Amino acid sequence: AQTVTQSQPEMSVQEAETVTLSCTYDTSESDYYLFWYKQPPSRQMILVIRQEAYKQQNATENRFSVNFQKAAKSFSLKISDSQLGDAAMYFCAYRSRGSGTYKYIFGTGTRLKVLA
Amino acid sequence: DGGITQSPKYLFRKEGQNVTLSCEQNLNHDAMYWYRQDPGQGLRLIYYSQIVNDFQKGDIAEGYSVSREKKESFPLTVTSAQKNPTAFYLCASSMGQGQASNQPQQFGDGTRLSIL
Repeated sequence: AQTVTQSQPEMSVQEAETVTLSCTYDTSESDYYLFWYKQPPSRQMILVIRQEAYKQQNATENRFSVNFQKAAKSFSLKISDSQLGDAAMYFCAYRSRGSGTYKYIFGTGTRLKVLA
Repeated sequence: DGGITQSPKYLFRKEGQNVTLSCEQNLNHDAMYWYRQDPGQGLRLIYYSQIVNDFQKGDIAEGYSVSREKKESFPLTVTSAQKNPTAFYLCASSMGQGQASNQPQQFGDGTRLSIL
């Protein structure tokens, strides 16, 4: 069974600085998708970025980028120029690309604090 | 705009009472999910459904029941057998298998359930 591990329960970053949140996963599959979600205090789940395992290029969305290391099964999220609005829980998630597989596997989350 | 509607936003349960949380989506998604989130914790999967009239247990199904009579609707009943139901409940949906599996889950705004 697949597992997703976020080893940092909490991180802090100074406003305008860069922070990296780590995520590792365990799978025997070769084709899958990875996602980062943000959950602000409002509790809404917001997609931040996604990565397809068959693509070597790291995904980027504005200030958010990932460092996807397939061999190491690592999928870290880098937030550049951190803003106060980035403060939230961040969840890493995995989904198999195989047919008939609909489950998403979530990590336990990292709480990010942004210091003014 | 398409989306997922959860109701009610807040719900209170008395001892020995069953309560039902509503989840409706107009995204034409095949799959729907229910998650439980405890304070400061990650998402735990209760039930999911890949198709109408079919659903599977997740990691913490005991004390809960679901139905999927329509593609758009996936209500969750918290039964009296669930001894610690106080939590935040999130409903999600996603497209099905194959190419569509790179699409992220979309979430409702959640229901907060408390014991009276």
